[in-house]
Amino acid sequence: EVQLVESGGVVVQPGGSLRLSCAASGFTFDDHIMFWVRQAPGKGLEWVSLISWDGDTTYYADSVKGRFTISRDNSKNSLYLQMNSLRIEDTALYYCAKLATAVQSDYWGQGTLVTVSS
Amino acid sequence: QSALTQPASVSGSPGQSITISCTGTSSDLGGYNYVSWYQQLPGKAPKLMIYDGTNRPSGVSNRFSGSKSANTASLTISGLQAEDEADYYCSSYPSSSTHVVFGGGTKLTVL
Repeated sequence: EVQLVESGGVVVQPGGSLRLSCAASGFTFDDHIMFWVRQAPGKGLEWVSLISWDGDTTYYADSVKGRFTISRDNSKNSLYLQMNSLRIEDTALYYCAKLATAVQSDYWGQGTLVTVSS
Repeated sequence: QSALTQPASVSGSPGQSITISCTGTSSDLGGYNYVSWYQQLPGKAPKLMIYDGTNRPSGVSNRFSGSKSANTASLTISGLQAEDEADYYCSSYPSSSTHVVFGGGTKLTVL
């Protein structure tokens, strides 16, 4: 059974830092590009970042570029998101995901809630 | 990285068919992009309903179908059922895998 389990979401003050983790199982993790997607309360889905299978290539949404860093450890089947200089507008449920391409494999975690508040 | 455009809401009666549109530029929805549709129930993670524009994952009802042209993708749900009431999102990302763009979401109400 495929599982993606996120952790690390907490309440943090503006300007603070946080590291999210995602533990993957049930599929060949190091074969795939991985993603972070977030959803602010009552709002739609927003792509945050993606990382190549080997970790060498990363991309970010403009809204987080320069503040967030995605990484992975294929030996631990884990994905990470280092979040710095957090803003109130970063408050959201953060999902770890492997998105479908021309094949149907598409996996999402249950999300971890990050709340940025003073 | 502009969002794809979806109607905020659509509605239909049980048994009817509805179509949700997703519009963007040809660079967002054209041939080298992976276009997917997701269903999201309250408090749940998104569920894949259509991938690669027109393909239905195993286990998804054949009442769901997708189509795609140069700058528009569409999700059609036929024979509407109460359980279809949810938020629906389109997404697209290029085969070069440089970014992902989501639509703003459409709330489907089954009357």
